[in-house]
Amino acid sequence: SQQGEEDPQALSIQEGENATMNCSYKTSINNLQWYRQNSGRGLVHLILIRSNEREKHSGRLRVTLDTSKKSSSLLITASRAADTASYFCATDAKDDYKLSFGAGTTVTVRA
Amino acid sequence: NAGVTQTPKFQVLKTGQSMTLQCAQDMNHNSMYWYRQDPGMGLRLIYYSASEGTTDKGEVPNGYNVSRLNKREFSLRLESAAPSQTSVYFCASSELWTETGAYEQYFGPGTRLTVT
Repeated sequence: SQQGEEDPQALSIQEGENATMNCSYKTSINNLQWYRQNSGRGLVHLILIRSNEREKHSGRLRVTLDTSKKSSSLLITASRAADTASYFCATDAKDDYKLSFGAGTTVTVRA
Repeated sequence: NAGVTQTPKFQVLKTGQSMTLQCAQDMNHNSMYWYRQDPGMGLRLIYYSASEGTTDKGEVPNGYNVSRLNKREFSLRLESAAPSQTSVYFCASSELWTETGAYEQYFGPGTRLTVT
């Protein structure tokens, strides 16, 4: 069963705006990862945040993790048309190191 | 480096036919995975191989078999295809997890399979 669930399911924004999406999960985790999938392609790893970290940055990406609420957020700042994609969170639970993926958030950036 | 490669890219099968999806990685990773992706459901793990010589069932293994041929190659076989197996199949690889958790996974481009 899916551990993570993303919210919203879909998001449409203007180029230059910020995009925020959330991920909630059910059990205690080791790490949480975010991936991007462009239409018709494989997933690409964006960022990994460990359970003892609260925030992480990578370029225009900012990820937060709140283990007390079992949730994470991914913020993409100053969005570009190339950011149009589906974004997935994935968690590996304590004592079970396989990744469990959510259903994804589809982001459309309008020019 | 090619990363993770998959063949074929597209396949149409009739119900009851069999086929093997091939996957290879050139990153010297220990672990390899097969997922299926269906609309609105994210990725679900079919089988994985934590290291060469081992394979284990994932969340949805029924109707599939796998072979870890060597460290580079991990194949997925459908013995008797069913319409419910129409999906996009992704292979991935990664370093073997440690007590601190899983590592990032590298994905292939996918195989789009239709079973009629």
